[in-house]
Amino acid sequence: GAGVSQSPRYKVAKRGQDVALRCDPISGHVSLFWYQQALGQGPEFLTYFQNEAQLDKSGLPSDRFFAERPEGSVSTLKIQRTQQEDSAVYLCASSLLRGLGQPQHFGDGTRLSIL
Amino acid sequence: AQSVTQLDSHVSVSEGTPVLLRCNYSSSYSPSLFWYVQHPNKGLQLLLKYTSAATLVKGINGFEAEFKKSETSFHLTKPSAHMSDAAEYFCVVPGGKLIFGQGTELSVKP
Repeated sequence: GAGVSQSPRYKVAKRGQDVALRCDPISGHVSLFWYQQALGQGPEFLTYFQNEAQLDKSGLPSDRFFAERPEGSVSTLKIQRTQQEDSAVYLCASSLLRGLGQPQHFGDGTRLSIL
Repeated sequence: AQSVTQLDSHVSVSEGTPVLLRCNYSSSYSPSLFWYVQHPNKGLQLLLKYTSAATLVKGINGFEAEFKKSETSFHLTKPSAHMSDAAEYFCVVPGGKLIFGQGTELSVKP
């Protein structure tokens, strides 16, 4: 079956532009997570959805970051007025079960470069 | 607060020799623990998970890990390294959310 799909795989944007990153979780997975992975670091939690409800957004670094999952399946992470420090790989993961502590299935990520 | 510390940022082994990737955890109780692997330009794949059922956990691709409460460790091992094992490995503790270690890069020499 299909795994977690993320698009685009690579995104280059100029500082100040808005970007939108898409995540298609595994069908039927209740939980969806976004992570930010800086070069040479482990992933850092950004936000968590249970179905369409955003239950935890404590990891979003600023109000320029916004995530949604309006129908409880596909999710979009939007970054407004991008800054160079936003350059990172953004990983999406999904889990069949509810809760933040379950093993998760990861997509291949979107590598975002801000010039 | 729960946390994990991966003791080596980089490990290099020869093909066919054993692999040891070290992880220590900090928790006020016996936690669940996971090991994930990340190949270049790929997402993370779950290798194995400990959930208190058995202290020795077997995972995919011949990897296993042993939970040792007395040492607060959850080291990852494999008897014989393969070239395809070269990747980044993360020790993870679910503490309200998944908390990742800093990662250990495994290199395998022919």
